[in-house]
Amino acid sequence: GQNIDQPTEMTATEGAIVQINCTYQTSGFNGLFWYQQHAGEAPTFLSYNVLDGLEEKGRFSSFLSRSKGYSYLLLKELQMKDSASYLCAVKDSNYQLIWGAGTKLIIKP
Amino acid sequence: DGGITQSPKYLFRKEGQNVTLSCEQNLNHDAMYWYRQDPGQGLRLIYYSQIVNDFQKGDIAEGYSVSREKKESFPLTVTSAQKNPTAFYLCASSMLTDTGELFFGEGSRLTVL
Repeated sequence: GQNIDQPTEMTATEGAIVQINCTYQTSGFNGLFWYQQHAGEAPTFLSYNVLDGLEEKGRFSSFLSRSKGYSYLLLKELQMKDSASYLCAVKDSNYQLIWGAGTKLIIKP
Repeated sequence: DGGITQSPKYLFRKEGQNVTLSCEQNLNHDAMYWYRQDPGQGLRLIYYSQIVNDFQKGDIAEGYSVSREKKESFPLTVTSAQKNPTAFYLCASSMLTDTGELFFGEGSRLTVL
């Protein structure tokens, strides 16, 4: 079966750095997405990786290793507004998105 | 402003009733999707459509129905056959490209009384 694993919950301090990991086992791979979802709201797109390596976008970076079935989202200079759930999703060989359950990130002052 | 609009935001239903959730987009996207989100689970695909007058079942289509009569609109009906309909429903749209990110509506929270 297809599977996406993420930690259920993480806690970090305002101003610090946090890394949210995502491991996947899917039938084929056609890209990995990260989305941010605040409680009760819709997910919003953060990043897309299809080749190995690091993609940087402001305070957020996303890394992919296809050989290891592994990605991480790195958030720097954490702000209180970064408190949200972070969803990892992989496009499989049929270009269908497989979603992880999400990681709830709690930021403390 | 371009975007995707869902309504209603909150909906209460009695058991045995059908309800229809609206989804409209003005992004000129070909593809539209309906997802269900439950606590502690990933998004699960109910139905999707890549072209007008055509749609495909997702992983959990039983008890749901859709139509795609216009490119802009993709309504979802939750029928009385859906055994556990209380959930947060998300509509999304995208371009039909490999990197096509999803744009989501604000979601509709359905509660069955």
